[in-house]
Amino acid sequence: QSVLTQPPSVSAAPGQKVTISCSGSSSNIGNNYVSWYQQLPGTAPKLLIYDNNKRPSGIPDRFSGSKSGTSATLGITGLQTGDEAEYYCGTWDSSLSANWVFGGGTKLTVL
Amino acid sequence: EVQLVESGGALVQPGGSLRLSCAASGFTFSSYWMHWVRQAPGKGLVWVSRINSDGTSTRYADSVKGRFTISRDNAKNTLYLQMNSLRADDTAVYYCARDMGIAMDYWGQGTLVTVSS
Repeated sequence: QSVLTQPPSVSAAPGQKVTISCSGSSSNIGNNYVSWYQQLPGTAPKLLIYDNNKRPSGIPDRFSGSKSGTSATLGITGLQTGDEAEYYCGTWDSSLSANWVFGGGTKLTVL
Repeated sequence: EVQLVESGGALVQPGGSLRLSCAASGFTFSSYWMHWVRQAPGKGLVWVSRINSDGTSTRYADSVKGRFTISRDNAKNTLYLQMNSLRADDTAVYYCARDMGIAMDYWGQGTLVTVSS
């Protein structure tokens, strides 16, 4: 059971928009920056969004992030078949353990 | 170009030990915190451990505390993970990742550790 909760799967047609939610608590999302990672099949994770809503160089503006309270959301517009991947949210947890935590991952299927 | 290259993964028997390495290049290794993250077959990402830039502070997931030790050699630009008392549920691909302060911005390709008799 992951500390951060994500839906196991989402799907949409090419060209459409999809959102992926990530729910946490005041010890993690509520008081820390959220990042999002894309993991294409058979590859290492790749940073997609950091600081809740910023994109690293090279990440297209089809990808966006937002945060409100203890939840965060990843948005992807203009879906492409190449976006089919597993998506993970992550953040620090400020509890006694002071560890990094990930969501359980969301499988995006582009129909 | 930032590169992180893990090595050391292998098939090991339960109760055995293994040391993973992560060779870093393309950036000032000694300025960055580093992490180990693992992924069991067909499962999600799980944070394992982190170390600060000079190696004086470390943290571990409860599942590996007391069995794994993270360390670094800044002169060799290399991160390590010493894994002892390995169990079947330690079987995973192990990734090293660079910490940019609020996210893990670069990841290695991973190295597979299989714990089985």
